[in-house]
Amino acid sequence: RKEVEQDPGPFNVPEGATVAFNCTYSNSASQSFFWYRQDCRKEPKLLMSVYSSGNEDGRFTAQLNRASQYISLLIRDSKLSDSATYLCVGNNYGQNFVFGPGTRLSVLP
Amino acid sequence: ETGVTQSPTHLIKTRGQQVTLRCSSQSGHNTVSWYQQALGQGPQFIFQYYREEENGRGNFPPRFSGLQFPNYSSELNVNALELDDSALYLCASSRDSAGEETQYFGPGTRLLVL
Repeated sequence: RKEVEQDPGPFNVPEGATVAFNCTYSNSASQSFFWYRQDCRKEPKLLMSVYSSGNEDGRFTAQLNRASQYISLLIRDSKLSDSATYLCVGNNYGQNFVFGPGTRLSVLP
Repeated sequence: ETGVTQSPTHLIKTRGQQVTLRCSSQSGHNTVSWYQQALGQGPQFIFQYYREEENGRGNFPPRFSGLQFPNYSSELNVNALELDDSALYLCASSRDSAGEETQYFGPGTRLLVL
């Protein structure tokens, strides 16, 4: 079993739709979590950190449930520019980032 | 503030050769991590350098080695290249090795092994 698993995707949604991505992690020692987005043939870029209390940044909302070892990302009012691969990342304190395989999103006009 | 830079951007090698990839960390960052990303997969951790010492290693063989210099820039060396080493190699820097710090990625080096 992979340490970080994500919805396999791809997700194809119309502009304006709301889309949710799910991620689970197996290492209960993981301390911090992030969502990165990666455009085709580009490097991953930080989208947002994920906190137990949940956090929101404009159209994006991230949630962490430590009891269920589950992380989510919600995108509201999808834009064409949201098309990318979304990577869920866990970090064991003092250790490396562990990436999920990514979920690809295509927002269609 | 200068971001993370990597060189070269693309590289073609043949099996058995050796390659050196370079990374300059973002200003103010003392920790560099290297990742390998195969097509269609998430990045896989190779190793991390903090203050010129290796500070953690993923499941990669010893032919993957690295260095960090006093200015915190870093090199990734791969010996005896194999076809499966073809991938995007990403370098990421952060302010410390404590793990909670966000990592910022360079544009990567695309390596093709023929």
